[in-house]
Amino acid sequence: GESVGLHLPTLSVQEGDNSIINCAYSNSASDYFIWYKQESGKGPQFIIDIRSNMDKRQGQRVTVLLNKTVKHLSLQIAATQPGDSAVYFCAENPGGYGTYKYIFGTGTRLKVLA
Amino acid sequence: DAGITQSPRHKVTETGTPVTLRCHQTENHRYMYWYRQDPGHGLRLIHYSYGVKDTDKGEVSDGYSVSRSKTEDFLLTLESATSSQTSVYFCASDRDGNTEAFFGQGTRLTVV
Repeated sequence: GESVGLHLPTLSVQEGDNSIINCAYSNSASDYFIWYKQESGKGPQFIIDIRSNMDKRQGQRVTVLLNKTVKHLSLQIAATQPGDSAVYFCAENPGGYGTYKYIFGTGTRLKVLA
Repeated sequence: DAGITQSPRHKVTETGTPVTLRCHQTENHRYMYWYRQDPGHGLRLIHYSYGVKDTDKGEVSDGYSVSRSKTEDFLLTLESATSSQTSVYFCASDRDGNTEAFFGQGTRLTVV
């Protein structure tokens, strides 16, 4: 597959528990953020996004929290399932919503334990 | 999944040879992107296109060129491959430079 052998921080979570993945972003001017999921051998897949005028957004089993004061983003996954095992990374857009020059984080590997 | 495919999926080439990677999307997306993914780095933008024949450089464009002759195709060329270009390359597209960029499966390129 197309995994890149990244030596990433790893979060191990028991199946059924909630997962929290964190991301520190770099640019205080960034006003749009995205979380991606990348499974082994696949390209990144969009999970959820949030704009800077919000501090929380919920999707199906996922919630993104944004703390602009400390430039921190988190992804919460409820009732983690084996299919959630993947690398998760955040992206910030310092150019604002509607532009495309994203800065991507290096990611966190989520391992779901049976 | 969006219809975006990359070819080849794997390639080994020698230093100094030209290499072209292909990206094809069937979503009629206006914007297309080439990224590279390396250990210790997030995805880094090489080049992008905002329409047919409209392209611009990303943050790591040196040694790469692109062409977009049709909406659906975006080619990435390494004019003279170097070992530092060994990487996994991802193509992406989105409708209007906005959210939900769809990524291809990636191409693992090894330059020996």
